[in-house]
Amino acid sequence: QKEVEQDPGPLSVPEGAIVSLNCTYSNSAFQYFMWYRQYSRKGPELLMYTYSSGNKEDGRFTAQVDKSSKYISLFIRDSQPSDSATYLCAMIQGAQKLVFGQGTRLTINP
Amino acid sequence: EAQVTQNPRYLITVTGKKLTVTCSQNMNHEYMSWYRQDPGLGLRQIYYSMNVEVTDKGDVPEGYKVSRKEKRNFPLILESPSPNQTSLYFCASSLGGNSGNTIYFGEGSWLTVV
Repeated sequence: QKEVEQDPGPLSVPEGAIVSLNCTYSNSAFQYFMWYRQYSRKGPELLMYTYSSGNKEDGRFTAQVDKSSKYISLFIRDSQPSDSATYLCAMIQGAQKLVFGQGTRLTINP
Repeated sequence: EAQVTQNPRYLITVTGKKLTVTCSQNMNHEYMSWYRQDPGLGLRQIYYSMNVEVTDKGDVPEGYKVSRKEKRNFPLILESPSPNQTSLYFCASSLGGNSGNTIYFGEGSWLTVV
């Protein structure tokens, strides 16, 4: 069993839809949780970062962490074609080692 | 501008021909690492370095070497590349500590071994 599981998709939704992306994890030692966005042929860029259970909002993006269920989510409201990318969840283990999910490829159709 | 720079960005090489992928950061970061990204597997850590002359293995170190002689540079060395090392490689750097909001990635290096 992988430490971090993420549905690889692909996921295709119409513009304006609410998108929900999810990851589950098995290691209780994970303390910090991130969502990265990766455009084609580019490096991952940090989108959201949180270290506690609950919600964190940034514009159209909301990151949700439920440590008791070992489950994290990213919600995108009013999705735009420019949101089309691969979204990777990641968690910190120890000093700066990131453990990634497989990534979900998202397409927003105009 | 804060940058992690990798070279080459694209390379096709032959089995057994030694190659080096360079990585340089301009943020005076202590921590640097290398990841490879493969379809269905996400990014996996190859090696990391917590400071000059301090390196350690990640999850998939076989077939790779690294060195950290200067703080800004962290080259990835493939002494005898094999086709299973065909992948997209990313270098990352960060300040250190346990938080994750200071990690910067390079643009990636596409490596094909034939």
